[in-house]
Amino acid sequence: QSALTQPPSASGSPGQSVTISCTGSSGDVGGYNYVSWYQQHPGKAPKLMIYEVSKRPSGVPDRFSGSKSGNTASLTVSGLQAEDEADYYCSSYAGRNNVIFGGGTEVTVL
Amino acid sequence: QLQLQESGPGLVKPSETLSLSCSVSGGSISSSGSNWGWIRQPPGKGLEWIGTIYYSGSTFYNPSLKSRVIIFLDTSKNQFSLRLSSVTAADTAVYYCARQPTSVAREFDYWGQGTLVTVSS
Repeated sequence: QSALTQPPSASGSPGQSVTISCTGSSGDVGGYNYVSWYQQHPGKAPKLMIYEVSKRPSGVPDRFSGSKSGNTASLTVSGLQAEDEADYYCSSYAGRNNVIFGGGTEVTVL
Repeated sequence: QLQLQESGPGLVKPSETLSLSCSVSGGSISSSGSNWGWIRQPPGKGLEWIGTIYYSGSTFYNPSLKSRVIIFLDTSKNQFSLRLSSVTAADTAVYYCARQPTSVAREFDYWGQGTLVTVSS
């Protein structure tokens, strides 16, 4: 099973928006509404930011939003803040009791 | 609040078996609907799902690791464990334990802090 495809990096100025894509196939992202997104700061464990494509766990700011079109899921961070600078990983159910992750995107706040 | 904590040797020799445990507090690993997973991250690289065990004991493994992985529950200690056999340097990584609600399809909502395991002679 191949990893989901994410851009290696993305950036934006404070207050702007940044969108990260996560491309898979009809066997994973496109076939199930079980896409999740994780934020990871250096040396820390990943933190769940979005689940089931577009749902936010309690405590996650509404600046974070998720969506999906076909085989590509997206995470948008609006109103960028300094603390949003981190690595972001997508994950999807891939059928047959498999889970796959994306390669990660490093978000820089300029 | 659910908390998870990994433990185990930080150094394993090539060809030997890596063994880690994840202690869970704030909830029971036998709770219906709570499932428990292992994820790893090689230094400077991305995340890789290793496998998940249901509260009932059913297990699901990454096909690329399936031949070398065992995950099991220890309900008496409220912990679950990972064993990865025949390790090589490619298995050097930070290993995380995490919870998945309801099924293996779902997200990982609670994570341990991670533990670095280095494979070296």
